Amino acid sequence: GAVVSQHPSWVICKSGTSVKIECRSLDFQATTMFWYRQFPKQSLMLMATSNEGSKATYEQGVEKDKFLINHASLTLSTLTVTSAHPEDSSFYICSARSPGGGLAGGDNEQFFGPGTRLTVL
Amino acid sequence: GNSVTQMEGPVTLSEEAFLTINCTYTATGYPSLFWYVQYPGEGLQLLLKATKADDKGSNKGFEATYRKETTSFHLEKGSVQVSDSAVYFCALSDWSAGTALIFGKGTTLSVSS
Repeated sequence: GAVVSQHPSWVICKSGTSVKIECRSLDFQATTMFWYRQFPKQSLMLMATSNEGSKATYEQGVEKDKFLINHASLTLSTLTVTSAHPEDSSFYICSARSPGGGLAGGDNEQFFGPGTRLTVL
Repeated sequence: GNSVTQMEGPVTLSEEAFLTINCTYTATGYPSLFWYVQYPGEGLQLLLKATKADDKGSNKGFEATYRKETTSFHLEKGSVQVSDSAVYFCALSDWSAGTALIFGKGTTLSVSS
């Protein structure tokens, strides 16, 4: 099946530093990747949609200068949390949309990475 | 706008009990509906899906039927196992509109032996 990896799996950083999180589709090409944020005991909230070779589309309320997204290739998207603060501490999850295959085949199924736990001190 | 509402957890059951996790949705178009599962320490996995009204998705003993008249997609399993303990998320997406998944808040299921 389609596999999506994230790196790092967890990171602790000091307030004011920047952190980069990578999302890779390992065995398929993903023209679209999504970045979500998950707070404890809450649902995943979509932050942005990332299309290869173009600017990301951010959801309302998400600061695009704070959360920089780059989708430079069909298998890699990065999320950079700039000047991180304690309130940015969260679980960040990416997903990649497959143009085919999946549970029912050819249905643009999304495959999720295992997530990255960010703690800002 | 589109939204998903699912029952609050946690749900605590004994092994072999019947499981129902309720999910209702609001959508402007004709969405596809999904159930995802997140096992402890792992990423989200698609459990089952349904793409149109009256479709039944099934996988690993779990079932859910897309009910347009009640805008529901309740998850059921006849006999749960300890290994089913996880967080379950109901979600919808309107692929034709190119939208991402919209998730419910998740329901934690804990099954004891």
